Amino acid sequence: QKEVEQDPGPLSVPEGAIVSLNCTYSNSAFQYFMWYRQYSRKGPELLMYTYSSGNKEDGRFTAQVDKSSKYISLFIRDSQPSDSATYLCAMSMNRDDKIIFGKGTRLHILP
Amino acid sequence: GAVVSQHPSWVICKSGTSVKIECRSLDFQATTMFWYRQFPKQSLMLMATSNEGSKATYEQGVEKDKFLINHASLTLSTLTVTSAHPEDSSFYICSAPLHPSGYGYTFGSGTRLTVV
Repeated sequence: QKEVEQDPGPLSVPEGAIVSLNCTYSNSAFQYFMWYRQYSRKGPELLMYTYSSGNKEDGRFTAQVDKSSKYISLFIRDSQPSDSATYLCAMSMNRDDKIIFGKGTRLHILP
Repeated sequence: GAVVSQHPSWVICKSGTSVKIECRSLDFQATTMFWYRQFPKQSLMLMATSNEGSKATYEQGVEKDKFLINHASLTLSTLTVTSAHPEDSSFYICSAPLHPSGYGYTFGSGTRLTVV
């Protein structure tokens, strides 16, 4: 079993829809959870950063962490064509520790 | 905000030659730098962790003699791919933690290496 599992997609949704992305993980020692957005041939860009379980909201983005289920989610409200990218979940055990990435989900927002 | 500047953004080299990739931290000191490799439609795979002034720590299966990492200062880390082969063609990305100045990690823009 891989440490972090993420459906690679692609996921296509119409503009304005709510997008739900998620990852599962196996290592209960992970405490820091992140979501990155990556455009083609670019470095990842941090979207959300959360510690332990709970929800965090930033504009149209909401991140949820359920440590009991080892499950994290990213919701995108009012999706826009510019949100089309690959979304990577990532997690680490300690604050400055190496981070383990999911495979990434390719998202297409259809105008 | 804190930025990691990575160069070159793309490079083509002949088999058997060496290529150096640089990552510089701007406006902050990067005591640690992570080096990742990403194949098409794959996730980022950690290759090694470098710490300023000490030897890099390599992940299992990564050849330390082939991928030379130097972190001689708090603002510069380099990855040299030695005796490159076509199978080394990939997207290489560096990343530095933002702590204590911030949360999370900042990434370079990546280097696309093609070995012909």
